[in-house]
Amino acid sequence: ETGVTQSPTHLIKTRGQQVTLRCSSQSGHNTVSWYQQALGQGPQFIFQYYREEENGRGNFPPRFSGLQFPNYSSELNVNALELDDSALYLCASSPTRSGNTIYFGEGSWLTVV
Amino acid sequence: ELKVEQNPLFLSMQEGKNYTIYCNYSTTSDRLYWYRQDPGKSLESLFVLLSNGAVKQEGRLMASLDTKARLSTLHITAAVHDLSATYFCAVAPSTNTGNQFYFGTGTSLTVIP
Repeated sequence: ETGVTQSPTHLIKTRGQQVTLRCSSQSGHNTVSWYQQALGQGPQFIFQYYREEENGRGNFPPRFSGLQFPNYSSELNVNALELDDSALYLCASSPTRSGNTIYFGEGSWLTVV
Repeated sequence: ELKVEQNPLFLSMQEGKNYTIYCNYSTTSDRLYWYRQDPGKSLESLFVLLSNGAVKQEGRLMASLDTKARLSTLHITAAVHDLSATYFCAVAPSTNTGNQFYFGTGTSLTVIP
């Protein structure tokens, strides 16, 4: 039990639609990062938020955006979905910006058809 | 861009045998993580290695870090079926103050009774 919960666990969307994935971290975890894991691959860093501001971004287009809220929850938004966006999306949180202990959620499986 | 290479990608071993998974990375790092992932599940933290020469052991798994060689190993002793999973190493570059990790491609381990 990592204390990081994600929703929904599974969802199916149509190409071109928009999706919002949610993550709830432990109290006091002011850093959250999001990863995309395609089938058979390692997770790829999307971006990180620290105290509600984007604090680092991987090689993902602007249609991937996020928000972090004061209550330690966060969102990943993806616009104009493409088939290649089908993946497991993982949220990870830590109590510090460069934490030695990172807690991953169970992930949200997104299928784009 | 930092590259993280794991080998082997696939490993099939008999119960009771020993084996080592290797993780090479291409830039300086002071944080290296090992994770386990079961099919359809999220990432389970195994080890955090923070300094050159660090060695950590938990049960049948032992991880080590050589920052000069940019190499980490995960050694499996007397494998049992329950260790069957995919193992990832993840590296945080020294220049990165956040939780942006670069993951390896993963090693899929199957332990045969």
